[in-house]
Amino acid sequence: ETGVTQTPRHLVMGMTNKKSLKCEQHLGHNAMYWYKQSAKKPLELMFVYSLEERVENNSVPSRFSPECPNSSHLFLHLHTLQPEDSALYLCASSQDRPSGGARISDTQYFGPGTRLTVL
Amino acid sequence: DQQVKQNSPSLSVQEGRISILNCDYTNSMFDYFLWYKKYPAEGPTFLISISSIKDKNEDGRFTVFLNKSAKHLSLHIVPSQPGDSAVYFCAALLQGGSEKLVFGKGMKLTVNP
Repeated sequence: ETGVTQTPRHLVMGMTNKKSLKCEQHLGHNAMYWYKQSAKKPLELMFVYSLEERVENNSVPSRFSPECPNSSHLFLHLHTLQPEDSALYLCASSQDRPSGGARISDTQYFGPGTRLTVL
Repeated sequence: DQQVKQNSPSLSVQEGRISILNCDYTNSMFDYFLWYKKYPAEGPTFLISISSIKDKNEDGRFTVFLNKSAKHLSLHIVPSQPGDSAVYFCAALLQGGSEKLVFGKGMKLTVNP
């Protein structure tokens, strides 16, 4: 496998189900991201992990729960979702490097996405 | 409030002609800009980028122009090919800040044979 992979590619779930999305990056990067793409909206950043530490959580509802067990894997645990959560969920990775106390991210590389439908 | 705007949702051009995709941004602190291309059922793929210290970057058929005073960038594809038909996203980055990539809504380019 190369690049960034995501499974499953398609997921249909009911509002009471619990499911997880998986992302794996094979690029040796140290930062991983979850994005949500809804129709006719910009890509929305959900979570950022850098060096396995969550560094950003963009006011995402608690029914979305990320997990980053190591720098190559990222999960998004889903429970009691709403129909409006139906969207394409994209994972990305990049190589962060320190710069003057902050971090600089290089280009992000995306996975193919998981098309989620909540009934 | 959208910080990165792609005001035209779609563009249709003839094969061999030039495609010009526009993007405007509001945050003057952005210092790195990227274009991504997305085919249906695939994730976005990186296409070309430009740093705010430059006003032009060229890679083969793709050229990105940056006008900092107007907070505007554009992607030129010449000559356009049918395989270029995709959705193109403009993105901006504030390097070293807490803000990560900010994307526009995307623009669908159709190149007709």
